[in-house]
Amino acid sequence: GESVGLHLPTLSVQEGDNSIINCAYSNSASDYFIWYKQESGKGPQFIIDIRSNMDKRQGQRVTVLLNKTVKHLSLQIAATQPGDSAVYFCAENGEGSARQLTFGSGTQLTVLP
Amino acid sequence: DAGVIQSPRHEVTEMGQEVTLRCKPISGHDYLFWYRQTMMRGLELLIYFNNNVPIDDSGMPEDRFSAKMPNASFSTLKIQPSEPRDSAVYFCASSLDTSYEQYFGPGTRLTVT
Repeated sequence: GESVGLHLPTLSVQEGDNSIINCAYSNSASDYFIWYKQESGKGPQFIIDIRSNMDKRQGQRVTVLLNKTVKHLSLQIAATQPGDSAVYFCAENGEGSARQLTFGSGTQLTVLP
Repeated sequence: DAGVIQSPRHEVTEMGQEVTLRCKPISGHDYLFWYRQTMMRGLELLIYFNNNVPIDDSGMPEDRFSAKMPNASFSTLKIQPSEPRDSAVYFCASSLDTSYEQYFGPGTRLTVT
């Protein structure tokens, strides 16, 4: 039969507009969260991270917001550029002292000219 | 720094053959992770090492998969015998003991026919 792949959420934005990518995480014990960007044919690259003792952190053109009450994470990209087109993953650390991350399924961002 | 190095970048093999994927982590990193990425299942953690010792291999799909880390600068992921359903992109990542941030290699695209 026909195989069914993951249905990646998609977001299309006009160049220059702001983008907001959302993520629901699963483990209330997670205290570290990270966003990765994966361009076609490449490995995931770190964008920004946040610890649970913060609810907002800003980087260059990116802001991560954390809402622990509803276990929600968002990535805001200001003045989106064509080079921002990629799949964006959020990840959480889970509980315990182990160093592994659990990755979400990703969101495909497409920047329209 | 050259970053995480993986080889080969592409591998095409026939069902039943042995496949060996290689990874050189970033020098000084204490953790090494092997992931598999497919459209069906997204990014899955297969196994990870701390100071060359396997810590969690619960993500390894079955006994056909094995991983070793003989020293701090080299790891292999072996599939024997390979099957078409093993076709995927395999990523290696490394991190410091003091950080959750993982640095990913460029990946090996494996096709088993």
